[in-house]
Amino acid sequence: ILNVEQSPQSLHVQEGDSTNFTCSFPSSNFYALHWYRWETAKSPEALFVMTLNGDEKKKGRISATLNTKEGYSYLYIKGSQPEDSATYLCAAHNDYKLSFGAGTTVTVRA
Amino acid sequence: EPEVTQTPSHQVTQMGQEVILRCVPISNHLYFYWYRQILGQKVEFLVSFYNNEISEKSEIFDDQFSVERPDGSNFTLKIRSTKLEDSAMYFCASTSSYSNQPQHFGDGTRLSIL
Repeated sequence: ILNVEQSPQSLHVQEGDSTNFTCSFPSSNFYALHWYRWETAKSPEALFVMTLNGDEKKKGRISATLNTKEGYSYLYIKGSQPEDSATYLCAAHNDYKLSFGAGTTVTVRA
Repeated sequence: EPEVTQTPSHQVTQMGQEVILRCVPISNHLYFYWYRQILGQKVEFLVSFYNNEISEKSEIFDDQFSVERPDGSNFTLKIRSTKLEDSAMYFCASTSSYSNQPQHFGDGTRLSIL
């Protein structure tokens, strides 16, 4: 199991503001980095899977970057909306399994 | 859009009893997983399953745990003699590819051991 860390644990952002947060993971023995969006009482929803150093992916107002050499990924939310409120999980994939971080809980205030 | 479905949504069981958690993965997926989250902790990997056998299992997945794909559609997790510390949310996931496709998760089964 890889040690995956996310920071901050939680953040509050004003509607319309942009924000970002970090996922760090061991850079060795790495296959892919996954990001999931998880709302309370629902299943985690896949956002991105990234494999290559320098990968950037975008889905609407949410984007992510990957640095495999230094072992980190950033997730960005541009122009936050109340519906972006959720816990964002990252997970490193190696050897047939995902190792999850503890998540960053984002609360968007109207 | 196809979904992973899990039943039951909540299971309450006496300590020492056997429990079976059920999952129906997405039909064309090949890789299947069980994860759990104890309240307030990270989501933890339990086991992965491919080609009708276990690919990888964690230290948590001891002799009390077993998985089965009995009929080509269901994927079950059995805990033979439950302990209080088995209380958690258990998630099933499936994917079509080894690493470059996302895993699709069910809504989870909340297991409460009394």
